[in-house]
Amino acid sequence: KAGVTQTPRYLIKTRGQQVTLSCSPISGHRSVSWYQQTPGQGLQFLFEYFSETQRNKGNFPGRFSGRQFSNSRSEMNVSTLELGDSALYLCASRDRLYEQYFGPGTRLTVT
Amino acid sequence: GDSVTQMEGPVTLSEEAFLTINCTYTATGYPSLFWYVQYPGEGLQLLLKATKADDKGSNKGFEATYRKETTSFHLEKGSVQVSDSAVYFCASTYSGGSNYKLTFGKGTLLTVNP
Repeated sequence: KAGVTQTPRYLIKTRGQQVTLSCSPISGHRSVSWYQQTPGQGLQFLFEYFSETQRNKGNFPGRFSGRQFSNSRSEMNVSTLELGDSALYLCASRDRLYEQYFGPGTRLTVT
Repeated sequence: GDSVTQMEGPVTLSEEAFLTINCTYTATGYPSLFWYVQYPGEGLQLLLKATKADDKGSNKGFEATYRKETTSFHLEKGSVQVSDSAVYFCASTYSGGSNYKLTFGKGTLLTVNP
Protein backbone atom coordinates (compact mmCIF):
# COMPACT_ATOMS: atom_id res chain seq x y z
CA LYS A 1 0.00 0.00 0.00
CA ALA A 2 1.11 3.52 -0.66
CA GLY A 3 1.89 5.56 2.42
CA VAL A 4 0.46 8.85 3.56
CA THR A 5 1.18 11.59 1.05
CA GLN A 6 1.27 15.31 1.70
CA THR A 7 1.44 18.17 -0.75
CA PRO A 8 3.19 20.45 -1.15
CA ARG A 9 6.38 19.41 0.67
CA TYR A 10 7.66 22.96 1.03
CA LEU A 11 5.87 26.27 1.06
CA ILE A 12 6.90 29.88 1.62
CA LYS A 13 4.22 32.42 2.43
CA THR A 14 4.06 36.01 3.61
CA ARG A 15 2.46 37.20 6.83
CA GLY A 16 -1.26 37.81 6.41
CA GLN A 17 -1.68 35.31 3.59
CA GLN A 18 -3.55 32.07 3.87
CA VAL A 19 -2.40 28.56 3.00
CA THR A 20 -4.00 25.19 2.28
CA LEU A 21 -2.18 21.92 2.85
CA SER A 22 -3.33 18.57 1.52
CA CYS A 23 -3.09 15.04 2.86
CA SER A 24 -4.02 11.71 1.27
CA PRO A 25 -4.28 8.87 3.81
CA ILE A 26 -3.38 5.25 3.34
CA SER A 27 -6.05 3.47 1.34
CA GLY A 28 -8.78 2.22 3.65
CA HIS A 29 -7.92 4.53 6.54
CA ARG A 30 -10.84 6.76 7.45
CA SER A 31 -9.19 8.79 10.21
CA VAL A 32 -6.84 11.66 9.45
CA SER A 33 -5.07 13.75 12.09
CA TRP A 34 -2.93 16.84 11.78
CA TYR A 35 0.01 17.85 13.97
CA GLN A 36 2.23 20.90 14.09
CA GLN A 37 5.93 20.40 14.84
CA THR A 38 8.13 23.31 15.95
CA PRO A 39 11.50 23.38 17.73
CA GLY A 40 10.01 25.25 20.68
CA GLN A 41 6.69 23.49 21.22
CA GLY A 42 7.48 20.07 19.79
CA LEU A 43 4.64 18.04 18.32
CA GLN A 44 1.18 19.42 19.00
CA PHE A 45 -2.16 17.95 17.97
CA LEU A 46 -4.28 20.15 15.71
CA PHE A 47 -7.37 18.09 14.89
CA GLU A 48 -8.70 14.71 13.81
CA TYR A 49 -11.25 13.93 11.14
CA PHE A 50 -13.18 10.72 10.71
CA SER A 51 -15.72 10.15 7.96
CA GLU A 52 -15.77 13.86 7.08
CA THR A 53 -16.48 14.91 10.71
CA GLN A 54 -14.08 16.68 13.05
CA ARG A 55 -13.97 14.52 16.17
CA ASN A 56 -11.27 16.15 18.21
CA LYS A 57 -9.50 19.50 18.21
CA GLY A 58 -6.35 20.74 19.86
CA ASN A 59 -5.70 24.09 21.47
CA PHE A 60 -5.13 26.23 18.39
CA PRO A 61 -6.81 29.48 17.33
CA GLY A 62 -9.69 29.51 14.89
CA ARG A 63 -7.32 30.54 12.10
CA PHE A 64 -6.50 26.85 11.84
CA SER A 65 -9.23 24.83 10.21
CA GLY A 66 -9.59 21.63 8.28
CA ARG A 67 -11.92 19.41 6.41
CA GLN A 68 -12.15 15.88 5.11
CA PHE A 69 -13.66 14.71 1.86
CA SER A 70 -15.68 11.60 1.11
CA ASN A 71 -12.56 9.83 -0.20
CA SER A 72 -10.88 10.50 3.20
CA ARG A 73 -8.43 13.03 1.77
CA SER A 74 -8.03 15.97 4.09
CA GLU A 75 -6.99 19.59 3.84
CA MET A 76 -5.98 22.03 6.52
CA ASN A 77 -6.15 25.76 6.11
CA VAL A 78 -4.38 28.50 8.00
CA SER A 79 -5.66 32.02 7.48
CA THR A 80 -3.93 35.31 8.28
CA LEU A 81 -0.54 33.68 8.63
CA GLU A 82 1.79 34.76 11.43
CA LEU A 83 5.54 34.26 11.70
CA GLY A 84 4.91 31.77 14.52
CA ASP A 85 3.00 29.51 12.14
CA SER A 86 6.29 28.50 10.52
CA ALA A 87 6.50 24.78 11.23
CA LEU A 88 6.46 21.28 9.86
CA TYR A 89 2.84 20.18 9.48
CA LEU A 90 2.39 16.45 9.72
CA CYS A 91 -0.61 14.45 8.67
CA ALA A 92 -1.29 10.96 9.96
CA SER A 93 -3.85 8.32 9.08
CA ARG A 94 -5.00 5.66 11.47
CA ASP A 95 -6.12 2.08 11.22
CA ARG A 96 -8.42 0.24 13.60
CA LEU A 97 -5.49 -0.76 15.83
CA TYR A 98 -4.87 2.84 16.87
CA GLU A 99 -1.57 2.94 15.02
CA GLN A 100 -0.98 6.26 13.31
CA TYR A 101 1.06 6.39 10.13
CA PHE A 102 2.63 9.72 9.33
CA GLY A 103 3.34 11.43 6.05
CA PRO A 104 6.61 13.26 5.29
CA GLY A 105 5.15 16.62 6.27
CA THR A 106 4.80 20.05 4.70
CA ARG A 107 7.45 22.56 5.71
CA LEU A 108 5.77 25.97 5.93
CA THR A 109 7.89 29.08 6.19
CA VAL A 110 6.18 32.40 6.89
CA THR A 111 8.21 35.52 6.12
CA GLY B 1 -4.30 16.42 31.20
CA ASP B 2 -2.21 13.66 29.72
CA SER B 3 1.51 14.29 29.35
CA VAL B 4 4.68 12.49 28.35
CA THR B 5 8.12 13.32 29.72
CA GLN B 6 11.22 11.96 28.08
CA MET B 7 14.94 12.46 28.41
CA GLU B 8 15.68 15.35 26.07
CA GLY B 9 19.32 14.74 25.33
CA PRO B 10 21.05 15.11 23.00
CA VAL B 11 22.49 11.65 23.45
CA THR B 12 25.78 10.79 21.77
CA LEU B 13 27.02 7.20 21.71
CA SER B 14 29.67 5.16 20.00
CA GLU B 15 28.65 2.35 17.67
CA GLU B 16 27.74 -0.88 19.54
CA ALA B 17 27.03 0.98 22.80
CA PHE B 18 23.90 0.32 24.89
CA LEU B 19 21.06 2.80 24.55
CA THR B 20 18.41 3.83 27.07
CA ILE B 21 16.01 6.71 26.54
CA ASN B 22 13.73 7.29 29.51
CA CYS B 23 10.04 8.02 29.11
CA THR B 24 7.34 8.47 31.74
CA TYR B 25 3.68 9.33 31.28
CA THR B 26 0.71 10.69 33.14
CA ALA B 27 -2.72 9.74 31.90
CA THR B 28 -6.23 9.00 32.94
CA GLY B 29 -7.03 5.36 32.48
CA TYR B 30 -4.63 3.05 30.74
CA PRO B 31 -3.14 4.53 27.60
CA SER B 32 -1.43 2.82 24.71
CA LEU B 33 2.23 3.76 24.46
CA PHE B 34 4.40 4.26 21.39
CA TRP B 35 7.90 5.10 20.30
CA TYR B 36 8.27 6.96 17.01
CA VAL B 37 11.50 7.75 15.17
CA GLN B 38 12.15 10.72 12.88
CA TYR B 39 15.07 10.71 10.48
CA PRO B 40 16.33 14.03 9.10
CA GLY B 41 13.91 15.60 6.64
CA GLU B 42 11.28 12.91 7.12
CA GLY B 43 8.01 12.34 8.95
CA LEU B 44 7.56 10.07 11.95
CA GLN B 45 7.81 6.30 11.70
CA LEU B 46 6.23 4.01 14.26
CA LEU B 47 9.05 2.07 15.91
CA LEU B 48 7.15 0.00 18.47
CA LYS B 49 4.07 0.02 20.66
CA ALA B 50 2.49 -1.53 23.75
CA THR B 51 -1.20 -1.44 24.55
CA LYS B 52 -1.39 -2.78 28.12
CA ALA B 53 0.65 -3.17 31.27
CA ASP B 54 3.64 -5.53 31.06
CA ASP B 55 3.45 -5.64 27.26
CA LYS B 56 6.85 -5.47 25.59
CA GLY B 57 7.08 -3.79 22.21
CA SER B 58 10.06 -4.63 20.01
CA ASN B 59 11.32 -3.85 16.53
CA LYS B 60 14.72 -3.62 14.79
CA GLY B 61 16.53 -4.50 18.03
CA PHE B 62 14.72 -1.81 20.04
CA GLU B 63 12.58 -2.78 23.02
CA ALA B 64 10.32 -1.03 25.52
CA THR B 65 8.19 -2.46 28.34
CA TYR B 66 4.94 -0.88 29.55
CA ARG B 67 5.42 -0.49 33.34
CA LYS B 68 2.20 0.60 35.02
CA GLU B 69 3.71 0.71 38.52
CA THR B 70 6.33 3.26 37.47
CA THR B 71 4.28 4.79 34.60
CA SER B 72 7.25 4.29 32.32
CA PHE B 73 8.05 3.08 28.81
CA HIS B 74 11.83 3.32 28.48
CA LEU B 75 13.39 2.60 25.08
CA GLU B 76 16.43 0.31 24.98
CA LYS B 77 18.75 -1.17 22.39
CA GLY B 78 21.67 -3.42 23.17
CA SER B 79 23.99 -2.31 20.36
CA VAL B 80 23.34 0.88 18.41
CA GLN B 81 24.45 1.51 14.85
CA VAL B 82 25.30 4.72 13.02
CA SER B 83 22.04 4.29 11.08
CA ASP B 84 20.08 4.63 14.36
CA SER B 85 20.98 8.32 14.51
CA ALA B 86 17.63 10.13 14.58
CA VAL B 87 15.15 11.85 16.90
CA TYR B 88 13.08 9.50 19.05
CA PHE B 89 9.64 10.43 20.40
CA CYS B 90 7.69 8.73 23.13
CA ALA B 91 3.91 9.09 22.82
CA SER B 92 0.71 8.03 24.53
CA THR B 93 -2.92 7.85 23.60
CA TYR B 94 -6.10 6.82 25.34
CA SER B 95 -7.30 3.61 23.77
CA GLY B 96 -10.99 4.20 24.00
CA GLY B 97 -13.88 6.35 22.92
CA SER B 98 -14.14 8.18 19.66
CA ASN B 99 -11.60 10.88 20.47
CA TYR B 100 -8.08 9.99 19.54
CA LYS B 101 -4.91 12.01 19.70
CA LEU B 102 -1.28 11.28 20.38
CA THR B 103 0.46 13.17 23.16
CA PHE B 104 4.19 13.36 22.45
CA GLY B 105 7.29 13.92 24.52
CA LYS B 106 9.74 16.60 23.41
CA GLY B 107 11.94 14.16 21.53
CA THR B 108 15.48 12.90 22.09
CA LEU B 109 18.19 13.44 19.49
CA LEU B 110 20.45 10.41 19.24
CA THR B 111 23.78 10.61 17.44
CA VAL B 112 25.80 7.43 16.98
CA ASN B 113 29.45 7.85 16.01
CA PRO B 114 31.45 5.15 14.18
